[in-house]
Amino acid sequence: AAGVIQSPRHLIKEKRETATLKCYPIPRHDTVYWYQQGPGQDPQFLISFYEKMQSDKGSIPDRFSAQQFSDYHSELNMSSLELGDSALYFCASSPGTVNTEAFFGQGTRLTVV
Amino acid sequence: GENVEQHPSTLSVQEGDSAVIKCTYSDSASNYFPWYKQELGKRPQLIIDIRSNVGEKKDQRIAVTLNKTAKHFSLHITETQPEDSAVYFCAASWGRALTFGSGTRLQVQP
Repeated sequence: AAGVIQSPRHLIKEKRETATLKCYPIPRHDTVYWYQQGPGQDPQFLISFYEKMQSDKGSIPDRFSAQQFSDYHSELNMSSLELGDSALYFCASSPGTVNTEAFFGQGTRLTVV
Repeated sequence: GENVEQHPSTLSVQEGDSAVIKCTYSDSASNYFPWYKQELGKRPQLIIDIRSNVGEKKDQRIAVTLNKTAKHFSLHITETQPEDSAVYFCAASWGRALTFGSGTRLQVQP
């Protein structure tokens, strides 16, 4: 069965650079979530989209932005990267119905040096 | 917003014993409570979930109980096996975004 696809799997950037993470949800899932997970931490909700519109916003820094496109894939854009942005970034998708299972992608490991 | 507290942070059991992880939540509007298992460097994977109209749910060796009045829910793993070793996260939601607990590192000793 198709799963949530994230790219790239690993990314190394220097401070003050920009990064773009991509997420391809499970077909027919119209809700996408982005989470940030630091080492030894729980996943922290950043932002979500439903039917290509932002639906919820969590602890996403102003330096980050995201959008969901007409094919339902989503991109997380991160600018002016800081060392503290180094983390695992997970995308999850779910069907549009509220409170259903969120399926997580493999994650993108971002390292800022 | 929602706040989820999870205990214990680490749990070590002998193979075959039971393990119990507890979570409390703050927002009485929350009505969906999933549990995720995460192995090192891998994605969180749903192992069981419960909705607010149910007090208990069981799936083989795993069960979850929910007390909406007290705003707490628990994960029970029976007959633990070494492959159960991982970090377990509880979560709560009243809408679409999940709020996670801080995680419990479960170590099952052979």
